[in-house]
Amino acid sequence: AQSVAQPEDQVKVAEGNPLTVKCTYSVSGNPYLFWYVQYPNRGLQFLLKYITGDNLVKGSYGFEAEFNKSQTSFHLKKPSALVSDSALYFCAVRDMPGNSNTGKLIFGQGTTLQVKP
Amino acid sequence: NAGVTQTPKFRILKIGQSMTLQCAQDMNHNYMYWYRQDPGMGLKLIYYSVGAGITDKGEVPNGYNVSRSTTEDFPLRLELAAPSQTSVYFCASRGLGLAGVLGAYNEQFFGPGTRLTVL
Repeated sequence: AQSVAQPEDQVKVAEGNPLTVKCTYSVSGNPYLFWYVQYPNRGLQFLLKYITGDNLVKGSYGFEAEFNKSQTSFHLKKPSALVSDSALYFCAVRDMPGNSNTGKLIFGQGTTLQVKP
Repeated sequence: NAGVTQTPKFRILKIGQSMTLQCAQDMNHNYMYWYRQDPGMGLKLIYYSVGAGITDKGEVPNGYNVSRSTTEDFPLRLELAAPSQTSVYFCASRGLGLAGVLGAYNEQFFGPGTRLTVL
């Protein structure tokens, strides 16, 4: 079965420092991976995705993620954190690869990022 | 475009009551999804639809029903509300990627959510 794990419930960084939010996955076949962000009392906003191609994916708001097949990871990164980056971050993987194209996503449990001034 | 809209934003129900959560999208997306979000649990898929007239169960469908009579609308029905259905509900939609284009797989767009409390 497809699954995704976010090993940290919370990540704390100081403003201006680099940040990493971790995600590992388990899939059969090639993974389709996504990162979403959720600000308080809001819906999820898409940040970036990896489908194929370059292992380093750039997304919205200066975020990027590196796909590492050997380590089955897709960590979210940003070179310099902002206080406004404080939010809940979700990693997700597409369910049922292959012929099925229902687009169902399996989400990790989420990681709360706190950026301190 | 308004994107994905959901109504109501908040609702309190008594045990045994019923209600319909509305979801609409104006992006002509084929795929639509209903998720529930519980603290520390991520999002769980309730039902999904790959087009008008076609729906299927997700991971946690018990206690819910859906219909998809149009491309735009995907309402979620709670027939007999229970405290276990207290949650935040999100609707999402996704368009088809361009056929034959490598890497053309579209992300899901989410609505703002409905916070439901069952007492």
